[in-house]
Amino acid sequence: KQEVTQIPAALSVPEGENLVLNCSFTDSAIYNLQWFRQDPGKGLTSLLLIQSSQREQTSGRLNASLDKSSGRSTLYIAASQPGDSATYLCAVNILTGGGNKLTFGTGTQLKVEL
Amino acid sequence: EADIYQTPRYLVIGTGKKITLECSQTMGHDKMYWYQQDPGMELHLIHYSYGVNSTEKGDLSSESTVSRIRTEHFPLTLESARPSHTSQYLCASSERWMGQLEVLTFGAGSRLTVL
Repeated sequence: KQEVTQIPAALSVPEGENLVLNCSFTDSAIYNLQWFRQDPGKGLTSLLLIQSSQREQTSGRLNASLDKSSGRSTLYIAASQPGDSATYLCAVNILTGGGNKLTFGTGTQLKVEL
Repeated sequence: EADIYQTPRYLVIGTGKKITLECSQTMGHDKMYWYQQDPGMELHLIHYSYGVNSTEKGDLSSESTVSRIRTEHFPLTLESARPSHTSQYLCASSERWMGQLEVLTFGAGSRLTVL
């Protein structure tokens, strides 16, 4: 059974800092991995998707890396801003007989302070 | 702008009531999902659908039921709500499946409280 763990559970940083969010998964046979953002009271927004054959993906100030063999992914946020405050979720996607299946981590709650 | 809509956003009801959470998407996506999320906990897939007239149970056992009569509509129903059903329910859709890249679009969620 795939298990996805995110560390830390919560993080508070001053504005402008670079930070790293961690995601680990127990079964390395994944198809891809996604990072999502969830704002309070709202749904999830997809940030980055990394295919299993890729090592990293970048979008603006966000950079996600994937080390499938060690079961780890990191989300790097450069020059953090208060608007980055949200919960960040990683999800691994595996192929089953019934199609794709996403398993989510519990998330890291990020607060960027002025 | 989200193209997937959930109603109601918030619902507080008494035990034993029948409720339906609505989910509609305007993107023409074939695959749709219902996830359940308790505060501070991970999302759990409770139902999904490959397309019209297709419904499947997810990882987490749920007393809810779903239907998919139209591509754009994937309602979730609880026949008799109980306090243990109190949770947030997130609907999502995706365009591709069966080994293709799958990027999910999520609705804003329906937060259900059963007293």
